Amino acid sequence: QKEVEQDPGPLSVPEGAIVSLNCTYSNSAFQYFMWYRQYSRKGPELLMYTYSSGNKEDGRFTAQVDKSSKYISLFIRDSQPSDSATYLCAMRPPYNFNKFYFGSGTKLNVKP
Amino acid sequence: DAGVIQSPRHEVTEMGQEVTLRCKPISGHNSLFWYRQTMMRGLELLIYFNNNVPIDDSGMPEDRFSAKMPNASFSTLKIQPSEPRDSAVYFCASSIRDRKDNEQFFGPGTRLTVL
Repeated sequence: QKEVEQDPGPLSVPEGAIVSLNCTYSNSAFQYFMWYRQYSRKGPELLMYTYSSGNKEDGRFTAQVDKSSKYISLFIRDSQPSDSATYLCAMRPPYNFNKFYFGSGTKLNVKP
Repeated sequence: DAGVIQSPRHEVTEMGQEVTLRCKPISGHNSLFWYRQTMMRGLELLIYFNNNVPIDDSGMPEDRFSAKMPNASFSTLKIQPSEPRDSAVYFCASSIRDRKDNEQFFGPGTRLTVL
Protein backbone atom coordinates (compact mmCIF):
# COMPACT_ATOMS: atom_id res chain seq x y z
CA GLN A 1 0.00 0.00 0.00
CA LYS A 2 1.28 3.45 -0.93
CA GLU A 3 1.67 5.93 1.90
CA VAL A 4 -0.37 8.56 0.06
CA GLU A 5 -3.34 7.70 -2.17
CA GLN A 6 -4.92 10.08 -4.63
CA ASP A 7 -7.55 9.49 -7.28
CA PRO A 8 -5.89 10.19 -10.65
CA GLY A 9 -9.10 11.41 -12.30
CA PRO A 10 -9.43 12.97 -14.76
CA LEU A 11 -12.02 15.27 -13.23
CA SER A 12 -13.94 17.43 -15.66
CA VAL A 13 -16.13 20.29 -14.42
CA PRO A 14 -17.83 23.34 -15.95
CA GLU A 15 -16.44 26.79 -15.30
CA GLY A 16 -17.71 28.22 -12.03
CA ALA A 17 -18.13 24.84 -10.32
CA ILE A 18 -16.78 24.00 -6.88
CA VAL A 19 -14.05 21.41 -7.12
CA SER A 20 -13.07 18.98 -4.37
CA LEU A 21 -9.75 17.15 -4.58
CA ASN A 22 -8.77 14.59 -1.96
CA CYS A 23 -5.96 12.46 -0.61
CA THR A 24 -5.79 9.78 2.02
CA TYR A 25 -2.68 8.68 3.84
CA SER A 26 -1.59 5.90 6.15
CA ASN A 27 1.22 7.41 8.24
CA SER A 28 -0.22 9.10 11.33
CA ALA A 29 3.11 10.90 11.84
CA PHE A 30 2.46 13.22 8.91
CA GLN A 31 1.87 16.75 10.19
CA TYR A 32 2.73 19.04 7.30
CA PHE A 33 0.46 18.96 4.27
CA MET A 34 0.86 20.61 0.92
CA TRP A 35 -0.91 20.95 -2.39
CA TYR A 36 1.11 21.42 -5.54
CA ARG A 37 -0.26 22.41 -8.94
CA GLN A 38 1.36 21.14 -12.10
CA TYR A 39 0.53 22.55 -15.51
CA SER A 40 1.13 20.39 -18.55
CA ARG A 41 4.85 19.95 -19.31
CA LYS A 42 5.88 22.06 -16.30
CA GLY A 43 7.26 21.31 -12.87
CA PRO A 44 4.97 21.25 -9.82
CA GLU A 45 4.58 24.52 -7.92
CA LEU A 46 3.42 24.97 -4.35
CA LEU A 47 -0.18 26.10 -4.01
CA MET A 48 -0.91 25.73 -0.30
CA TYR A 49 0.86 24.61 2.86
CA THR A 50 -0.93 23.63 6.08
CA TYR A 51 0.19 22.34 9.42
CA SER A 52 -1.69 19.67 11.39
CA SER A 53 -5.48 19.77 11.36
CA GLY A 54 -7.93 22.46 10.33
CA ASN A 55 -8.65 24.71 7.39
CA LYS A 56 -6.62 27.25 5.51
CA GLU A 57 -8.04 29.63 2.94
CA ASP A 58 -6.25 31.53 0.18
CA GLY A 59 -8.49 33.31 -2.27
CA ARG A 60 -10.58 30.73 -4.12
CA PHE A 61 -8.63 27.84 -2.57
CA THR A 62 -9.30 26.14 0.76
CA ALA A 63 -7.17 23.34 2.17
CA GLN A 64 -8.65 21.08 4.80
CA VAL A 65 -6.93 18.48 6.97
CA ASP A 66 -8.69 15.81 9.01
CA LYS A 67 -5.97 13.94 10.87
CA SER A 68 -8.40 11.65 12.66
CA SER A 69 -9.50 10.28 9.30
CA LYS A 70 -6.10 10.69 7.63
CA TYR A 71 -7.78 12.67 4.88
CA ILE A 72 -6.94 15.98 3.26
CA SER A 73 -8.89 18.04 0.76
CA LEU A 74 -8.43 20.99 -1.54
CA PHE A 75 -11.51 22.97 -2.53
CA ILE A 76 -11.53 25.35 -5.47
CA ARG A 77 -14.42 27.81 -5.61
CA ASP A 78 -15.58 29.46 -8.83
CA SER A 79 -13.25 27.27 -10.86
CA GLN A 80 -11.68 28.80 -13.96
CA PRO A 81 -10.26 27.25 -17.14
CA SER A 82 -6.86 28.45 -15.91
CA ASP A 83 -7.22 26.03 -12.97
CA SER A 84 -6.94 23.12 -15.42
CA ALA A 85 -3.86 21.26 -14.23
CA THR A 86 -2.78 18.25 -12.22
CA TYR A 87 -2.99 18.71 -8.46
CA LEU A 88 -0.63 16.73 -6.27
CA CYS A 89 -0.91 16.43 -2.54
CA ALA A 90 2.26 16.07 -0.50
CA MET A 91 3.00 15.55 3.15
CA ARG A 92 5.82 14.99 5.57
CA PRO A 93 6.44 14.01 9.18
CA PRO A 94 7.77 16.56 11.71
CA TYR A 95 11.08 14.76 12.11
CA ASN A 96 12.15 15.03 8.48
CA PHE A 97 11.97 18.47 6.90
CA ASN A 98 13.15 17.30 3.54
CA LYS A 99 11.42 14.06 2.60
CA PHE A 100 8.02 14.74 1.05
CA TYR A 101 5.58 11.97 0.21
CA PHE A 102 3.57 12.82 -2.89
CA GLY A 103 0.25 11.56 -4.16
CA SER A 104 0.10 10.54 -7.79
CA GLY A 105 -1.91 13.62 -8.74
CA THR A 106 -5.48 14.34 -9.91
CA LYS A 107 -5.90 15.80 -13.37
CA LEU A 108 -8.52 18.57 -13.42
CA ASN A 109 -10.12 20.01 -16.53
CA VAL A 110 -12.32 23.09 -16.18
CA LYS A 111 -14.44 23.58 -19.29
CA PRO A 112 -15.36 27.13 -20.38
CA ASP B 1 15.71 34.72 -9.84
CA ALA B 2 15.99 32.18 -12.65
CA GLY B 3 14.56 29.32 -10.64
CA VAL B 4 15.84 25.76 -10.84
CA ILE B 5 17.49 25.13 -14.19
CA GLN B 6 17.58 21.70 -15.80
CA SER B 7 19.20 20.50 -18.98
CA PRO B 8 18.55 19.07 -21.40
CA ARG B 9 14.78 19.62 -21.55
CA HIS B 10 14.35 16.61 -23.82
CA GLU B 11 16.57 13.61 -24.34
CA VAL B 12 16.02 10.74 -26.73
CA THR B 13 18.55 7.95 -26.60
CA GLU B 14 18.93 4.30 -27.42
CA MET B 15 18.96 1.47 -24.94
CA GLY B 16 22.40 0.90 -23.51
CA GLN B 17 23.58 4.49 -23.86
CA GLU B 18 24.70 6.65 -20.98
CA VAL B 19 22.43 9.55 -20.07
CA THR B 20 23.42 12.53 -17.94
CA LEU B 21 20.86 14.98 -16.61
CA ARG B 22 21.95 18.28 -15.12
CA CYS B 23 20.55 20.62 -12.53
CA LYS B 24 21.39 24.05 -11.19
CA PRO B 25 19.49 24.79 -7.95
CA ILE B 26 18.29 28.19 -6.83
CA SER B 27 21.14 30.22 -5.39
CA GLY B 28 21.20 30.03 -1.60
CA HIS B 29 19.28 26.77 -1.43
CA ASN B 30 21.17 23.99 0.31
CA SER B 31 18.92 20.98 -0.30
CA LEU B 32 18.57 19.37 -3.70
CA PHE B 33 16.21 16.62 -4.78
CA TRP B 34 15.92 14.37 -7.83
CA TYR B 35 12.47 13.02 -8.68
CA ARG B 36 11.11 10.81 -11.43
CA GLN B 37 7.53 11.12 -12.68
CA THR B 38 5.61 8.52 -14.68
CA MET B 39 1.92 7.94 -15.27
CA MET B 40 2.09 4.59 -13.52
CA ARG B 41 4.06 5.53 -10.41
CA GLY B 42 3.53 9.27 -10.06
CA LEU B 43 6.27 11.43 -8.56
CA GLU B 44 9.00 9.38 -6.88
CA LEU B 45 11.90 10.76 -4.87
CA LEU B 46 15.14 9.22 -6.11
CA ILE B 47 17.75 10.93 -3.94
CA TYR B 48 18.32 14.12 -2.01
CA PHE B 49 21.34 16.09 -0.88
CA ASN B 50 21.87 18.46 2.03
CA ASN B 51 24.86 20.79 1.68
CA ASN B 52 26.10 18.72 -1.27
CA VAL B 53 26.09 15.47 0.75
CA PRO B 54 23.75 12.63 -0.30
CA ILE B 55 21.38 11.97 2.59
CA ASP B 56 18.83 9.48 1.29
CA ASP B 57 19.28 7.49 -1.90
CA SER B 58 16.78 4.78 -1.03
CA GLY B 59 14.66 5.74 -4.02
CA MET B 60 17.39 5.13 -6.58
CA PRO B 61 16.00 2.17 -8.51
CA GLU B 62 19.22 0.29 -9.11
CA ASP B 63 22.95 0.56 -9.57
CA ARG B 64 22.53 1.91 -13.07
CA PHE B 65 21.52 5.20 -11.48
CA SER B 66 24.01 7.51 -9.80
CA ALA B 67 23.88 11.14 -8.67
CA LYS B 68 26.53 13.63 -7.70
CA MET B 69 26.64 17.12 -6.35
CA PRO B 70 30.21 18.41 -6.67
CA ASN B 71 29.29 21.90 -5.47
CA ALA B 72 26.36 23.97 -4.23
CA SER B 73 25.33 25.08 -7.71
CA PHE B 74 25.41 21.88 -9.75
CA SER B 75 24.16 18.31 -9.65
CA THR B 76 23.99 15.45 -12.12
CA LEU B 77 21.90 12.32 -12.39
CA LYS B 78 23.45 9.63 -14.55
CA ILE B 79 21.91 6.47 -15.96
CA GLN B 80 24.31 3.92 -17.35
CA PRO B 81 23.27 1.84 -19.21
CA SER B 82 19.83 3.24 -19.96
CA GLU B 83 16.80 1.01 -20.53
CA PRO B 84 13.36 1.71 -22.07
CA ARG B 85 11.72 1.48 -18.61
CA ASP B 86 13.77 4.52 -17.56
CA SER B 87 11.64 6.67 -19.86
CA ALA B 88 10.05 9.32 -17.65
CA VAL B 89 10.20 12.99 -16.73
CA TYR B 90 13.01 13.69 -14.30
CA PHE B 91 12.64 16.71 -12.03
CA CYS B 92 15.20 18.46 -9.93
CA ALA B 93 14.01 20.54 -6.97
CA SER B 94 15.75 22.68 -4.38
CA SER B 95 14.87 24.14 -1.02
CA ILE B 96 16.33 25.79 2.04
CA ARG B 97 17.26 22.99 4.37
CA ASP B 98 15.51 22.21 7.64
CA ARG B 99 12.93 24.94 7.65
CA LYS B 100 9.59 23.95 9.12
CA ASP B 101 7.69 25.55 6.26
CA ASN B 102 10.21 24.74 3.58
CA GLU B 103 9.00 24.70 0.02
CA GLN B 104 10.57 22.61 -2.68
CA PHE B 105 10.98 24.56 -5.91
CA PHE B 106 10.88 22.37 -8.98
CA GLY B 107 12.66 22.81 -12.27
CA PRO B 108 10.90 22.34 -15.63
CA GLY B 109 12.02 18.72 -15.89
CA THR B 110 13.90 16.61 -18.43
CA ARG B 111 11.72 14.37 -20.57
CA LEU B 112 13.75 11.21 -21.21
CA THR B 113 12.84 8.70 -23.87
CA VAL B 114 14.89 5.52 -24.15
CA LEU B 115 14.24 3.59 -27.35
